[in-house]
Amino acid sequence: QKEVEQDPGPLSVPEGAIVSLNCTYSNSAFQYFMWYRQYSRKGPELLMYTYSSGNKEDGRFTAQVDKSSKYISLFIRDSQPSDSATYLCAMSAYSGGYNKLIFGAGTRLAVHP
Amino acid sequence: SQTIHQWPATLVQPVGSPLSLECTVEGTSNPNLYWYRQAAGRGLQLLFYSVGIGQISSEVPQNLSASRPQDRQFILSSKKLLLSDSGFYLCAWTRDTDTEAFFGQGTRLTVV
Repeated sequence: QKEVEQDPGPLSVPEGAIVSLNCTYSNSAFQYFMWYRQYSRKGPELLMYTYSSGNKEDGRFTAQVDKSSKYISLFIRDSQPSDSATYLCAMSAYSGGYNKLIFGAGTRLAVHP
Repeated sequence: SQTIHQWPATLVQPVGSPLSLECTVEGTSNPNLYWYRQAAGRGLQLLFYSVGIGQISSEVPQNLSASRPQDRQFILSSKKLLLSDSGFYLCAWTRDTDTEAFFGQGTRLTVV
Protein backbone atom coordinates (compact mmCIF):
# COMPACT_ATOMS: atom_id res chain seq x y z
CA GLN A 1 0.00 0.00 0.00
CA LYS A 2 1.29 3.43 -0.92
CA GLU A 3 1.77 5.87 1.93
CA VAL A 4 -0.26 8.50 0.08
CA GLU A 5 -3.05 7.78 -2.38
CA GLN A 6 -4.40 10.37 -4.80
CA ASP A 7 -6.70 9.90 -7.76
CA PRO A 8 -4.72 11.04 -10.83
CA GLY A 9 -7.83 12.16 -12.72
CA PRO A 10 -7.94 13.88 -15.13
CA LEU A 11 -10.70 16.08 -13.83
CA SER A 12 -12.49 18.42 -16.24
CA VAL A 13 -14.88 21.07 -14.94
CA PRO A 14 -16.57 24.20 -16.34
CA GLU A 15 -15.43 27.63 -15.26
CA GLY A 16 -17.07 28.66 -11.99
CA ALA A 17 -17.47 25.12 -10.65
CA ILE A 18 -16.42 24.00 -7.20
CA VAL A 19 -13.56 21.53 -7.39
CA SER A 20 -12.82 18.92 -4.75
CA LEU A 21 -9.45 17.17 -4.68
CA ASN A 22 -8.65 14.46 -2.16
CA CYS A 23 -5.89 12.31 -0.74
CA THR A 24 -5.77 9.52 1.78
CA TYR A 25 -2.75 8.37 3.72
CA SER A 26 -1.74 5.46 5.88
CA ASN A 27 1.13 6.78 8.03
CA SER A 28 -0.22 8.27 11.24
CA ALA A 29 3.18 9.93 11.85
CA PHE A 30 2.45 12.56 9.19
CA GLN A 31 2.09 15.91 10.88
CA TYR A 32 2.18 18.45 8.08
CA PHE A 33 -0.12 18.49 5.09
CA MET A 34 0.39 20.49 1.95
CA TRP A 35 -1.05 21.07 -1.48
CA TYR A 36 1.22 21.95 -4.37
CA ARG A 37 0.22 23.22 -7.78
CA GLN A 38 2.28 22.27 -10.80
CA TYR A 39 1.90 23.81 -14.21
CA SER A 40 3.04 21.86 -17.22
CA ARG A 41 6.83 21.49 -17.45
CA LYS A 42 7.39 23.47 -14.26
CA GLY A 43 8.37 22.63 -10.71
CA PRO A 44 5.60 22.40 -8.08
CA GLU A 45 4.72 25.48 -6.03
CA LEU A 46 3.26 25.42 -2.54
CA LEU A 47 -0.41 26.38 -2.50
CA MET A 48 -1.65 25.53 1.00
CA TYR A 49 -0.07 24.25 4.18
CA THR A 50 -1.80 22.94 7.29
CA TYR A 51 -0.63 21.37 10.49
CA SER A 52 -3.68 20.27 12.42
CA SER A 53 -7.08 18.83 11.67
CA GLY A 54 -9.64 21.34 10.49
CA ASN A 55 -10.03 23.86 7.70
CA LYS A 56 -7.74 26.55 6.38
CA GLU A 57 -8.94 29.09 3.89
CA ASP A 58 -6.97 31.27 1.49
CA GLY A 59 -9.03 33.17 -1.04
CA ARG A 60 -10.81 30.69 -3.29
CA PHE A 61 -8.90 27.75 -1.80
CA THR A 62 -9.81 25.75 1.30
CA ALA A 63 -7.66 22.95 2.69
CA GLN A 64 -9.27 20.42 4.98
CA VAL A 65 -7.53 17.82 7.15
CA ASP A 66 -9.20 14.95 8.98
CA LYS A 67 -6.48 13.12 10.88
CA SER A 68 -8.89 10.60 12.39
CA SER A 69 -9.85 9.41 8.89
CA LYS A 70 -6.40 10.06 7.41
CA TYR A 71 -8.02 12.13 4.69
CA ILE A 72 -7.21 15.55 3.28
CA SER A 73 -9.02 17.69 0.76
CA LEU A 74 -8.53 20.83 -1.29
CA PHE A 75 -11.57 22.79 -2.43
CA ILE A 76 -11.39 25.40 -5.17
CA ARG A 77 -14.35 27.77 -5.40
CA ASP A 78 -15.27 29.68 -8.54
CA SER A 79 -12.68 27.76 -10.54
CA GLN A 80 -10.91 29.63 -13.33
CA PRO A 81 -9.12 28.43 -16.48
CA SER A 82 -5.89 29.61 -14.85
CA ASP A 83 -6.45 26.95 -12.17
CA SER A 84 -5.80 24.28 -14.80
CA ALA A 85 -2.78 22.42 -13.50
CA THR A 86 -1.77 19.28 -11.65
CA TYR A 87 -2.44 19.40 -7.92
CA LEU A 88 -0.25 17.29 -5.66
CA CYS A 89 -0.91 16.57 -2.04
CA ALA A 90 2.12 16.15 0.17
CA MET A 91 2.70 15.09 3.73
CA SER A 92 5.67 15.12 5.99
CA ALA A 93 6.97 13.90 9.28
CA TYR A 94 10.13 15.11 10.98
CA SER A 95 12.34 12.10 11.46
CA GLY A 96 16.07 11.46 11.52
CA GLY A 97 16.96 15.14 11.28
CA TYR A 98 14.97 16.06 8.24
CA ASN A 99 11.44 16.47 6.99
CA LYS A 100 10.57 13.51 4.81
CA LEU A 101 8.12 14.74 2.20
CA ILE A 102 5.89 12.19 0.52
CA PHE A 103 3.79 13.21 -2.46
CA GLY A 104 0.62 11.85 -3.97
CA ALA A 105 0.45 11.01 -7.67
CA GLY A 106 -1.16 14.37 -8.48
CA THR A 107 -4.58 15.13 -9.95
CA ARG A 108 -4.67 16.81 -13.32
CA LEU A 109 -7.37 19.49 -13.40
CA ALA A 110 -8.71 21.21 -16.51
CA VAL A 111 -11.09 24.16 -16.13
CA HIS A 112 -12.71 25.02 -19.42
CA PRO A 113 -14.37 28.37 -20.23
CA SER B 1 15.64 35.96 -1.07
CA GLN B 2 16.32 32.33 -1.71
CA THR B 3 16.47 30.85 -5.20
CA ILE B 4 17.14 27.40 -6.55
CA HIS B 5 18.77 26.76 -9.87
CA GLN B 6 18.60 23.51 -11.74
CA TRP B 7 20.08 22.68 -15.12
CA PRO B 8 19.84 21.71 -17.85
CA ALA B 9 16.12 22.13 -18.51
CA THR B 10 15.99 19.33 -21.07
CA LEU B 11 18.38 16.55 -21.91
CA VAL B 12 18.37 13.71 -24.43
CA GLN B 13 20.94 11.04 -23.75
CA PRO B 14 21.65 7.64 -25.30
CA VAL B 15 21.38 4.45 -23.28
CA GLY B 16 24.66 3.67 -21.54
CA SER B 17 25.87 7.27 -21.41
CA PRO B 18 26.72 9.05 -18.14
CA LEU B 19 24.55 11.68 -16.47
CA SER B 20 25.21 14.72 -14.33
CA LEU B 21 22.45 17.06 -13.21
CA GLU B 22 23.32 20.00 -11.01
CA CYS B 23 21.29 21.95 -8.50
CA THR B 24 22.37 24.99 -6.49
CA VAL B 25 20.58 27.02 -3.86
CA GLU B 26 21.25 30.69 -3.17
CA GLY B 27 20.34 32.87 -0.24
CA THR B 28 20.34 30.29 2.53
CA SER B 29 22.82 28.11 4.36
CA ASN B 30 22.72 24.46 5.40
CA PRO B 31 19.54 23.60 3.49
CA ASN B 32 18.11 20.11 3.35
CA LEU B 33 18.34 19.07 -0.30
CA TYR B 34 16.27 16.56 -2.25
CA TRP B 35 16.18 14.89 -5.64
CA TYR B 36 12.79 13.70 -6.90
CA ARG B 37 11.79 11.96 -10.10
CA GLN B 38 8.36 12.40 -11.63
CA ALA B 39 7.32 9.86 -14.24
CA ALA B 40 4.40 10.61 -16.55
CA GLY B 41 1.11 10.30 -14.67
CA ARG B 42 2.83 9.48 -11.41
CA GLY B 43 3.71 11.41 -8.31
CA LEU B 44 7.06 12.63 -7.15
CA GLN B 45 9.31 9.78 -6.10
CA LEU B 46 11.97 10.75 -3.58
CA LEU B 47 15.35 9.54 -4.80
CA PHE B 48 17.91 11.12 -2.47
CA TYR B 49 18.05 13.59 0.36
CA SER B 50 20.90 15.32 2.11
CA VAL B 51 21.06 17.13 5.44
CA GLY B 52 24.65 18.30 5.02
CA ILE B 53 27.86 18.21 2.99
CA GLY B 54 28.80 14.65 2.12
CA GLN B 55 25.67 13.25 3.79
CA ILE B 56 23.49 11.43 1.29
CA SER B 57 20.61 9.08 1.94
CA SER B 58 18.98 7.01 -0.73
CA GLU B 59 15.32 6.18 -0.68
CA VAL B 60 15.22 3.60 -3.45
CA PRO B 61 17.89 1.35 -4.98
CA GLN B 62 18.56 2.36 -8.56
CA ASN B 63 21.01 3.22 -11.24
CA LEU B 64 21.58 6.72 -9.87
CA SER B 65 23.78 8.32 -7.25
CA ALA B 66 23.94 11.73 -5.60
CA SER B 67 26.67 13.88 -4.13
CA ARG B 68 26.83 17.09 -2.14
CA PRO B 69 30.31 18.56 -2.57
CA GLN B 70 29.33 21.97 -1.20
CA ASP B 71 26.70 23.22 1.23
CA ARG B 72 24.38 24.52 -1.47
CA GLN B 73 25.21 22.18 -4.33
CA PHE B 74 23.52 18.86 -5.02
CA ILE B 75 24.43 16.65 -7.97
CA LEU B 76 22.58 13.68 -9.43
CA SER B 77 24.69 11.26 -11.45
CA SER B 78 24.66 8.00 -13.30
CA LYS B 79 27.51 6.05 -14.86
CA LYS B 80 25.29 4.32 -17.43
CA LEU B 81 21.78 5.48 -18.18
CA LEU B 82 18.91 3.08 -18.73
CA LEU B 83 15.74 3.68 -20.72
CA SER B 84 13.82 3.53 -17.44
CA ASP B 85 15.76 6.55 -16.16
CA SER B 86 13.71 8.82 -18.41
CA GLY B 87 11.58 11.26 -16.48
CA PHE B 88 11.26 14.70 -14.99
CA TYR B 89 13.89 15.29 -12.30
CA LEU B 90 13.28 17.89 -9.65
CA CYS B 91 15.62 19.31 -7.07
CA ALA B 92 14.14 20.82 -3.92
CA TRP B 93 15.28 22.34 -0.65
CA THR B 94 13.81 22.93 2.79
CA ARG B 95 15.05 24.81 5.81
CA ASP B 96 16.25 22.66 8.67
CA THR B 97 12.98 22.20 10.50
CA ASP B 98 10.50 23.75 8.07
CA THR B 99 8.31 21.64 5.89
CA GLU B 100 7.78 23.90 2.87
CA ALA B 101 9.81 22.59 -0.05
CA PHE B 102 10.99 24.93 -2.77
CA PHE B 103 11.48 23.30 -6.13
CA GLY B 104 13.68 24.01 -9.10
CA GLN B 105 12.22 24.15 -12.56
CA GLY B 106 13.15 20.56 -13.30
CA THR B 107 15.12 18.67 -15.92
CA ARG B 108 13.26 16.60 -18.47
CA LEU B 109 15.52 13.65 -19.26
CA THR B 110 14.83 11.41 -22.23
CA VAL B 111 17.00 8.34 -22.60
CA VAL B 112 16.96 6.99 -26.17
